[in-house]
Amino acid sequence: QVQLQESGPGLVKPSETLSLTCTVSGGSITSYYWSWIRQPPGKGLEWIGYIYYSGSTNYNPSLKGRVTMSVDTSKNQFSLKLSSVTAADTAVYYCARGQPRFDYWGQGILVTVSS
Amino acid sequence: QSTLTQPASVSGSPGQSITISCSGTSSDVGGYRYVSWYQQHPGKAPKFIIYDVFNRPSGVSFRFSGSKSGNTASLTISGLQAEDEADYYCSSYTSNNTVVFGGGTKLTVL
Repeated sequence: QVQLQESGPGLVKPSETLSLTCTVSGGSITSYYWSWIRQPPGKGLEWIGYIYYSGSTNYNPSLKGRVTMSVDTSKNQFSLKLSSVTAADTAVYYCARGQPRFDYWGQGILVTVSS
Repeated sequence: QSTLTQPASVSGSPGQSITISCSGTSSDVGGYRYVSWYQQHPGKAPKFIIYDVFNRPSGVSFRFSGSKSGNTASLTISGLQAEDEADYYCSSYTSNNTVVFGGGTKLTVL
């Protein structure tokens, strides 16, 4: 059974960079697309973007060039960086397998942007 | 990118059927068969329940079914059960090779 686990700081200061990692277990990261999705408290889901195991990416245009994703196949991990964060970036961040459908999800990690 | 349009809430009694709509455009829902649905219970990660408009992943109850007509997709839950009370989200592939979600629908089982 494939499992995903997000990790990273739960608190980030405004204007700094949010960095998260997703570790995949129970299966290989190769031959799949991997995505990040977020959910502000009490609100709906927002797609952030995807990375293919080969490294190709596509991001949500609304995030205006602040997003960077990377993959480390040797560690079965992929990562998200979101720069110049503001309070509007406070959300539960999920990693998931797939694009455009998401069949396995991590449990989510709450990241709060606050000084 | 805009979100797909879903009703904020729907309700039904145990045993009844309900339908949740998901409206988009020809650049997303209407243009592709890649519509998915997710169920989310409070404090939990979303669960994948329908893909490619009407397909059910292994292990998902046959009570969940999906369909699409034009720019609108629908999720129908038949034989409502208390455990079905949750938030439901649709998503669609778009012409920009991105994914857009609906705003979510809260299902209340009366």
